[in-house]
Amino acid sequence: DAGVIQSPRHEVTEMGQEVTLRCKPISGHNSLFWYRQTMMRGLELLIYFNNNVPIDDSGMPEDRFSAKMPNASFSTLKIQPSEPRDSAVYFCATSPGQGFSGANVLTFGAGSRLTVL
Amino acid sequence: GENVEQHPSTLSVQEGDSAVIKCTYSDSASNYFPWYKQELGKGPQLIIDIRSNVGEKKDQRIAVTLNKTAKHFSLHITETQPEDSAVYFCAASEDYGQNFVFGPGTRLSVLP
Repeated sequence: DAGVIQSPRHEVTEMGQEVTLRCKPISGHNSLFWYRQTMMRGLELLIYFNNNVPIDDSGMPEDRFSAKMPNASFSTLKIQPSEPRDSAVYFCATSPGQGFSGANVLTFGAGSRLTVL
Repeated sequence: GENVEQHPSTLSVQEGDSAVIKCTYSDSASNYFPWYKQELGKGPQLIIDIRSNVGEKKDQRIAVTLNKTAKHFSLHITETQPEDSAVYFCAASEDYGQNFVFGPGTRLSVLP
């Protein structure tokens, strides 16, 4: 398996533009997480899905952020409109999910580094 | 909610020496404690984990100890090598829980 695939790896955009980050989970993993990493706040959980259903989005900073998982093979994190304070590395991580061996072992993607000017 | 503290924030050791990173947690319901290693430009990767029914777990040069009464757990790396240089994160969650709380991280530098 190629692991968790994220795109783009780097994104530079201007304030006010829409940003879409993409994630392809490991095949068979039923849980998918979006994390944001900054120097100031460390690793923060934004939202997670179980079986494509959003379970907890309490970490989403504000209405400008939205996430979808239309099927088991794909998820997006969208920021609209983007602001300079959104600059961070965004990680997608997946796990087998509850009831499965290694249920809560997270496998992270390589991350998407977002810079909003 | 859960709060995880981690110390030290930076640690420098000579190659071959041991390194110890300590974490404390606040929620007594937490019973799964993983450690992740993050190398530059990469996502965190699980290196070892421990559940609350175990006091210590070892995997080659790395070991984790857990004191559930005191709510703290530690990562021990022996015979450190330059490739151990990275940022290490501890985390806590309830078993099969989905909401991990990560510590702020420790930047380990192994000096040749």
